[in-house]
Amino acid sequence: QKEVEQNSGPLSVPEGAIASLNCTYSDRGSQSFFWYRQYSGKSPELIMSIYSNGDKEDGRFTAQLNKASQYVSLLIRDSQPSDSATYLCAVNRLGNTDKLIFGTGTRLQVFP
Amino acid sequence: DVKVTQSSRYLVKRTGEKVFLECVQDMDHENMFWYRQDPGLGLRLIYFSYDVKMKEKGDIPEGYSVSREKKERFSLILESASTNQTSMYLCASSSRVITPYEQYFGPGTRLTVT
Repeated sequence: QKEVEQNSGPLSVPEGAIASLNCTYSDRGSQSFFWYRQYSGKSPELIMSIYSNGDKEDGRFTAQLNKASQYVSLLIRDSQPSDSATYLCAVNRLGNTDKLIFGTGTRLQVFP
Repeated sequence: DVKVTQSSRYLVKRTGEKVFLECVQDMDHENMFWYRQDPGLGLRLIYFSYDVKMKEKGDIPEGYSVSREKKERFSLILESASTNQTSMYLCASSSRVITPYEQYFGPGTRLTVT
């Protein structure tokens, strides 16, 4: 089992719809969770971090964390073509380290 | 705003050459990281540094070394470049104190070894 798993996609949604991206992780003790957006040919950009169970909203983005079920999700409301990118989920590694484990990403396509 | 810069966006080298990739951050971050990213394999950690002159091997350190002589600068060295080191190389930095784990990436260097 991969440490951080994401469906590779592509996930295709129409403009204006809600895009839902999911991520599961294997280390039950993980405490910090991140979503990065990566446009084709560019580097990852941090868009959301979440540390507690529940929802965290930032503009059109909502991160949801359920530690009991070991999943974290990202909702994008009112999806725009400019949201088309690969979204990477990242989770802190256990132990005395500041390292992250990254999923391989879900490619999102928003069509007009 | 965190700024991480990398010395080159694109680099073409020959097999056997010694290659230096440089990364500079301006946020006084303690941690710096080198990753490579390949299709289908995601981001893989090569080396990590948590302080000047301190380093830890990541998941795929073979064929690479690093140097951190100043806090803001972290260099990745390919001792003898090989074609299987053709990849996108990404540098990142993070604070140990302010927002632990939040990593900020440079623009990346696409390295081709022929």
